[in-house]
Amino acid sequence: DAGITQSPRYKITETGRQVTLMCHQTWSHSYMFWYRQDLGHGLRLIYYSAAADITDKGEVPDGYVVSRSKTENFPLTLESATRSQTSVYFCASSAWTGSSYEQYFGPGTRLTVT
Amino acid sequence: AQKVTQAQTEISVVEKEDVTLDCVYETRDTTYYLFWYKQPPSGELVFLIRRNSFDEQNEISGRYSWNFQKSTSSFNFTITASQVVDSAVYFCALKSTGGFKTIFGAGTRLFVKA
Repeated sequence: DAGITQSPRYKITETGRQVTLMCHQTWSHSYMFWYRQDLGHGLRLIYYSAAADITDKGEVPDGYVVSRSKTENFPLTLESATRSQTSVYFCASSAWTGSSYEQYFGPGTRLTVT
Repeated sequence: AQKVTQAQTEISVVEKEDVTLDCVYETRDTTYYLFWYKQPPSGELVFLIRRNSFDEQNEISGRYSWNFQKSTSSFNFTITASQVVDSAVYFCALKSTGGFKTIFGAGTRLFVKA
């Protein structure tokens, strides 16, 4: 089915481990985003990408790495997970449709760092 | 800098009551988009509405209505005759027309009791 998917949906990892969250979209949207959701903060932008091989930092990028070798994939890596990175992570993609803007979110990945 | 404030952290109502969720935003941009998203207990983000800054018409969709007032930088959301299924976290968000970053408010958790 077309859409935006994330994997895994749930992940428990230990402090110091590397973990990668996957995001895949089937629309060929240029822009993709990673957000984290924490109580009291809403969604905060971690990284975004304007196209393949073009990425940039968002509001809270420390401790995260992204890559975008293909338009449809935008993985997020926590190089050395910390407890403060326990959160729900949402991937999103966006596109302009005519004169309007649409942003679509994946189902989220709940990450727990112990 | 852009900012979205949802001053109501939690609201609790009894079924069939009307409820208004407040959203106040700050931006220096002359054109922008405003959004409302719903996040039910299942966790996904559901798009509710997008409003362009040059369109100040209020909108009604079933039991939902939105009041956009540029003069007060507010984009409030009213649910008429609330139902238990309306229980969710609601996010207001802002994006400048020329950019691609979306700024989210912290969210308002709505409890609708039977």
